[in-house]
Amino acid sequence: GDSVTQMEGPVTLSEEAFLTINCTYTATGYPSLFWYVQYPGEGLQLLLKATKADDKGSNKGFEATYRKETTSFHLEKGSVQVSDSAVYFCALSDRKDSSYKLIFGSGTRLLVRP
Amino acid sequence: SAVISQKPSRDICQRGTSLTIQCQVDSQVTMMFWYRQQPGQSLTLIATANQGSEATYESGFVIDKFPISRPNLTFSTLTVSNMSPEDSSIYLCSFLEFGGYTFGSGTRLTVV
Repeated sequence: GDSVTQMEGPVTLSEEAFLTINCTYTATGYPSLFWYVQYPGEGLQLLLKATKADDKGSNKGFEATYRKETTSFHLEKGSVQVSDSAVYFCALSDRKDSSYKLIFGSGTRLLVRP
Repeated sequence: SAVISQKPSRDICQRGTSLTIQCQVDSQVTMMFWYRQQPGQSLTLIATANQGSEATYESGFVIDKFPISRPNLTFSTLTVSNMSPEDSSIYLCSFLEFGGYTFGSGTRLTVV
């Protein structure tokens, strides 16, 4: 079945460092891909999304490119801030068999130190 | 985009009791979803709730334990029945619109 694999955390960075969180997926169709962020004690917020190959999603300085050839959707940010400390979830929606469910990766905790 | 309100935000319940969680959307949405997030874990889909039909449950989740109602296109409830400490989790509702998924703020449930 469909699945999402994320790099394990926690990822600890200093402020202004470059961030990469790896995400790869397995799907039989042509999924849409998402990154969600969960700040401490809060619900999930959509960070960015991409719906087809080579699409680049971007928001708040974060970017991710839908790479069909490598089945990846890695999250990047050029300069992280302390306020970026959160858990990041990669997810896919394959929409096959009339199912629109979202399948999540395990989540990666990011801690940014001043 | 539509806004979703979920309540209660948190509760502490005695084992053996039931809790009903409500989600209200400020516009009509076709598909709503209920997820569970166990402590330190990712999100797992419990069921998909469509108006006018029974909810579709994922493997490992049953209607007797997690009954769901979807009386109209703006509202849904999830009940966690006969609770045990293992049910302590965050429960989140979600809906689909314009190709994206919006989540409620979650209900943090502790069963003692």
